[in-house]
Amino acid sequence: DAGVIQSPRHEVTEMGQEVTLRCKPISGHNSLFWYRQTMMRGLELLIYFNNNVPIDDSGMPEDRFSAKMPNASFSTLKIQPSEPRDSAVYFCAIVPQASGYTFGSGTRLTVV
Amino acid sequence: GENVEQHPSTLSVQEGDSAVIKCTYSDSASNYFPWYKQELGKRPQLIIDIRSNVGEKKDQRIAVTLNKTAKHFSLHITETQPEDSAVYFCAASNDYKLSFGAGTTVTVRA
Repeated sequence: DAGVIQSPRHEVTEMGQEVTLRCKPISGHNSLFWYRQTMMRGLELLIYFNNNVPIDDSGMPEDRFSAKMPNASFSTLKIQPSEPRDSAVYFCAIVPQASGYTFGSGTRLTVV
Repeated sequence: GENVEQHPSTLSVQEGDSAVIKCTYSDSASNYFPWYKQELGKRPQLIIDIRSNVGEKKDQRIAVTLNKTAKHFSLHITETQPEDSAVYFCAASNDYKLSFGAGTTVTVRA
């Protein structure tokens, strides 16, 4: 049990389509992070929420990316329109008990 | 912002030998240094962490050392086993944001 549920686990979509990735911390957390992992760039922070408010979105690549956290138990990352260069594994993470991150299982996105 | 460099990028060791991974960081305000292990196709998992008020921490076969003056920290794995084969990431933080190193692929040869 990862403590963070992400869906879908895999997503294959055509360029130009909208993609929505979902994250559900099992126990509601006020702080939540979205990271992207690629071979070329490693693990990159996209956005950080605290108390459901976006605090740092400086890592969001461009306007095609948006994220929401309507409550402590749910967050979404949306890409519209998607492009092949968005292909990556997207992780959300929480910080239980002031320790290191607990990552979700990730969503592997492939844009063709 | 924080910049974390990690070396080596790949490491091959004989089973039973030790493995050492080194990281340097740029922001002297960083005070939290976790290490993550990521197996193929899985999520990164925290294996050990250290805070800036401690110079060394050990947990069974793994240990981490921190030199704040030189701004570097290291992961030591002793008596390596095949299940230690994975990608290892170091990270540094002084607030909420973890900045990750590029990762070290460790292969333990049987």
